[in-house]
Formats: sequence, C-alpha cells, structure tokens
Amino acid sequence: QKEVEQDPGPLSVPEGAIVSLNCTYSNSAFQYFMWYRQYSRKGPELLMYTYSSGNKEDGRFTAQVDKSSKYISLFIRDSQPSDSATYLCAISTGGGNKLTFGTGTQLKVEL
Amino acid sequence: GAGVSQSPSNKVTEKGKDVELRCDPISGHTALYWYRQSLGQGLEFLIYFQGNSAPDKSGLPSDRFSAERTGGSVSTLTIQRTQQEDSAVYLCASTGRNTGELFFGEGSRLTVL
Repeated sequence: QKEVEQDPGPLSVPEGAIVSLNCTYSNSAFQYFMWYRQYSRKGPELLMYTYSSGNKEDGRFTAQVDKSSKYISLFIRDSQPSDSATYLCAISTGGGNKLTFGTGTQLKVEL
Repeated sequence: GAGVSQSPSNKVTEKGKDVELRCDPISGHTALYWYRQSLGQGLEFLIYFQGNSAPDKSGLPSDRFSAERTGGSVSTLTIQRTQQEDSAVYLCASTGRNTGELFFGEGSRLTVL
C-alpha cells in the first residue's frame, strides 16, 4: 500500500464548476499537508499548506484536512481554464522533513 | 538566479552511458532535494541534502545512482550505466525554511534509448 493515494484522473470539468480533489494517507505520523500545482513541463509550485485538521481558505481554493479519517481535499470554486494543471498532494511528518507526494490528479477546465 | 536552475533541460542518452544532472538551488537555501517523476508515478523521493551532507539517501533506487553537493550550493546527480527504466523527469528542489515549502526547478528530462 502506498503511503499516499491519489486518483490520477484525468478530470475534466466545465468552466465555473466546483472541483474536488482528494488524497488518503496511511501513516498517522503525517502532520503537515500541502497541495502543489504543476503545469505541463514545469516544476510543482506550492498552492496550499496546513498542519491541522479543518479548513483553510485562500481565494478560490480551500484545503480540508480530516486527520481522523486520514483524508485531505482541495476544493476549487469557480474553476477557470487557467486552473488546468496537475494537482499533487504532499504530506510530511515534520516541517523540515521530506515530502511524500501523491501521484497527482490531472485537471482540465474547459470553456 | 531567482529560482532553482537545472541543467540540462533535456538529455537523450544510450543505454549503458553515464549521465550527470546539475541543480543550482536558490541562493541561501540550505536544504536540497532530488525527486524523480515518471509518468503516472508521481514524485519519487531520491535524496536530501542539508548543507553538504546527505542525511537521507533512502530513495536512491540502486548503487548506479549517486549525488553530491559542494559548497552548500550546487548539486550533481549522477546515474551510471543508464537503463531504459531510468527515463523520467528529475526534479530538484530547495528550501531555506523549516516548512514544507519546496521550490522546484523545471526538471531535467532524461530519455534512455
């Protein structure tokens, strides 16, 4: 069993839709939870970061963590074509430790 | 430079040849990571440097893979006797903070024929 499971998609939605992206993890020692966005042929860039259960909002993006279920989500409201990218969840046991990444979900937002 | 710089951006080599991939991290960043990204496999951790030392080499897939970092800055990942399964994008990231925010380069795309 992988430490982090993520549906690879692809996921195709119309512009303006609400997108839900999810990951599950197996190790309760993981304490830091992140979402990275990766455009084609580019390196990943940090989108959202949290270390506690609950919701964190940033503009159209909301990250949700449920430690009891070992489940993390990223919601994108009013999705735009510019949101088309691969979204990777990443988790860590500590702030300075290596990140364990999910496989990434490829998202396409169509006009 | 402003970001993490990797070279070459693309490398095509023949099976059995050695390759070197270079990473120039953001100035002042003490921690440096190498990851490998294969199609459908996500990012696979290879090695982590703190300064010039590598406290975690657990992700290197075989003894054909090695990496070094000199002067607490530039790092080189070397793959000896390349195999076709080594074909992937090799990503380097650096950070100067004790957080999860890694700053990635654009990667070196390796194709082994």
